[in-house]
Amino acid sequence: GAVVSQHPSWVICKSGTSVKIECRSLDFQATTMFWYRQFPKQSLMLMATSNEGSKATYEQGVEKDKFLINHASLTLSTLTVTSAHPEDSSFYICSARDQGLAGGDTQYFGPGTRLTVL
Amino acid sequence: RKEVEQDPGPFNVPEGATVAFNCTYSNSASQSFFWYRQDCRKEPKLLMSVYSSGNEDGRFTAQLNRASQYISLLIRDSKLSDSATYLCAVNKGTGGFKTIFGAGTRLFVKA
Repeated sequence: GAVVSQHPSWVICKSGTSVKIECRSLDFQATTMFWYRQFPKQSLMLMATSNEGSKATYEQGVEKDKFLINHASLTLSTLTVTSAHPEDSSFYICSARDQGLAGGDTQYFGPGTRLTVL
Repeated sequence: RKEVEQDPGPFNVPEGATVAFNCTYSNSASQSFFWYRQDCRKEPKLLMSVYSSGNEDGRFTAQLNRASQYISLLIRDSKLSDSATYLCAVNKGTGGFKTIFGAGTRLFVKA
């Protein structure tokens, strides 16, 4: 099946630094990718929808200036957590939408990035 | 009210047991429904899509009740390896392809 990769798989940073997370669709083109955040024992919360070549659409309560999303190609979306603070420590998961040539429409998840801000 | 609600559990069952999970959703315009499985510290994996006619995949059966706005997952003959968190997910369809997840139900299958 389709594969989505994320890099890095985990990162530890100091408070105030910025962290970039990459999400790649490896064998299909994804015009739409999604970024989720999951705190311990909680569900995945959709942060934003990333559209190739246009601005991301953020969910209510998500600061677009803090969580910068860039979707410059059909296989890559990046999420940058700017001026990270300990409360940003979480599991960040991306997914990519494969609309396929055969008319299917499936969402594939990356393995996630665990961010710890000290 | 949350868009997608699940009983968090945990469900503790012996091997071989049958266990059922329910999930309710609030948006009547929702179009697609799914069950995902998530293991600890991993990403969710699609278990099965849920259709109005119901669908079965081995020991797993999913049902959708649009009138009552709930979906269910039945696991028969539970295995130790079924221990995980099961996430209900709903795609709104209209206004863009956007999947909303429930908080998940923890399942522990014991020998």
